[in-house]
Amino acid sequence: AQTVTQSQPEMSVQEAETVTLSCTYDTSESDYYLFWYKQPPSRQMILVIRQEAYKQQNATENRFSVNFQKAAKSFSLKISDSQLGDAAMYFCAYRIKAAGNKLTFGGGTRVLVKP
Amino acid sequence: DAGVIQSPRHEVTEMGQEVTLRCKPISGHNSLFWYRQTMMRGLELLIYFNNNVPIDDSGMPEDRFSAKMPNASFSTLKIQPSEPRDSAVYFCASSGSWGNTIYFGEGSWLTVV
Repeated sequence: AQTVTQSQPEMSVQEAETVTLSCTYDTSESDYYLFWYKQPPSRQMILVIRQEAYKQQNATENRFSVNFQKAAKSFSLKISDSQLGDAAMYFCAYRIKAAGNKLTFGGGTRVLVKP
Repeated sequence: DAGVIQSPRHEVTEMGQEVTLRCKPISGHNSLFWYRQTMMRGLELLIYFNNNVPIDDSGMPEDRFSAKMPNASFSTLKIQPSEPRDSAVYFCASSGSWGNTIYFGEGSWLTVV
């Protein structure tokens, strides 16, 4: 079965500090994409960052960056200079070409930001 | 540009009633997805369409659920009859061709009492 695992149900970070969220996935396919989505209390699903599996360079978007370890099937998200607005649920997901066009999500990690 | 538009945003209905959720995907997107989010099961894919054709409906929980996409700009998810365990947030999402990002609507919060 194709799975995405987020082992941290909740993470707490001090404002302006850095937090890293872990994600591992399982697939034998080579053509896939990885994503991190943010879900604030409003429940809106907001794309944070995406990574093409064929790219070795880690994606970055402002304060958000990933550590993509393809051999280890690991895709962690680092939030730098954490802000109060970063408090949300974060979901790791992948999209595998051979498995159709769909996104498969992990269980999510809740991020709390302390002022 | 308008994003994925869902309606209604919130609905409270009585058990046994029919519920219809609506979705307008982003113009030009050819893939449309219906997801359901609950505390117990997280985010589950119910069904997805490609070029208006249902490709994978294996996530549809039972015959009470049905989805249609009569054209490229509209889709519905219907529950008939509704049950309390159907209470959830239902998301519609759309994307362009393979590899493109999937964009989500704001969700329809359904409560069945």
